[in-house]
Amino acid sequence: DAKTTQPTSMDCAEGRAANLPCNHSTISGNEYVYWYRQIHSQGPQYIIHGLKNNETNEMASLIITEDRKSSTLILPHATLRDTAVYYCIVKNIGVRSGNTGKLIFGQGTTLQVKP
Amino acid sequence: NAGVTQTPKFQVLKTGQSMTLQCAQDMNHEYMSWYRQDPGMGLRLIHYSVGAGITDQGEVPNGYNVSRSTTEDFPLRLLSAAPSQTSVYFCASSYQDSLKGGYTFGSGTRLTVV
Repeated sequence: DAKTTQPTSMDCAEGRAANLPCNHSTISGNEYVYWYRQIHSQGPQYIIHGLKNNETNEMASLIITEDRKSSTLILPHATLRDTAVYYCIVKNIGVRSGNTGKLIFGQGTTLQVKP
Repeated sequence: NAGVTQTPKFQVLKTGQSMTLQCAQDMNHEYMSWYRQDPGMGLRLIHYSVGAGITDQGEVPNGYNVSRSTTEDFPLRLLSAAPSQTSVYFCASSYQDSLKGGYTFGSGTRLTVV
């Protein structure tokens, strides 16, 4: 699975959009971009994933560049409860494409939402 | 659905003792994994399984054993506890088909070895 690079920390004002970047320049065609977050002392929580099209769900939006070398997770109206560590993970999907079942976490981005 | 259930939530062990951390899921997920998270650190993969009867080592497997006799259960055994194994342990599960979504994590077991 390709490596990712994320900023160590970011701040965001409550009620504003939080835009969390992720670089994955070595991503291959079979690899999806996944985002998880971990609120302090809780288990990680899956947020969203995508291949090449922009994706949106009830939690967030995922914007993937046309060359797929970077992506941005958008929390449209950040609240104090969105303060967490956000992880961007690139992963092969499908057993035939090399999905080994392993999910490796990097250091992630610590997002601090401020009042 | 209960999701991923981990027991116990808290445990204190003496050095050299053994114990089993339990993990059960009721979502019929094929994949299951164990992670540890030391204070102020990231998650590290201990062992994982792609189905009943199949397990493999992750990033930090030493000192731990796993087995997967059923789809639902994936216990983690500490053979001889050491203070370095003081950590929070998370179990996770997912479908083999990653397009169905991501991993679901349990709430963790907080283990202290004295």
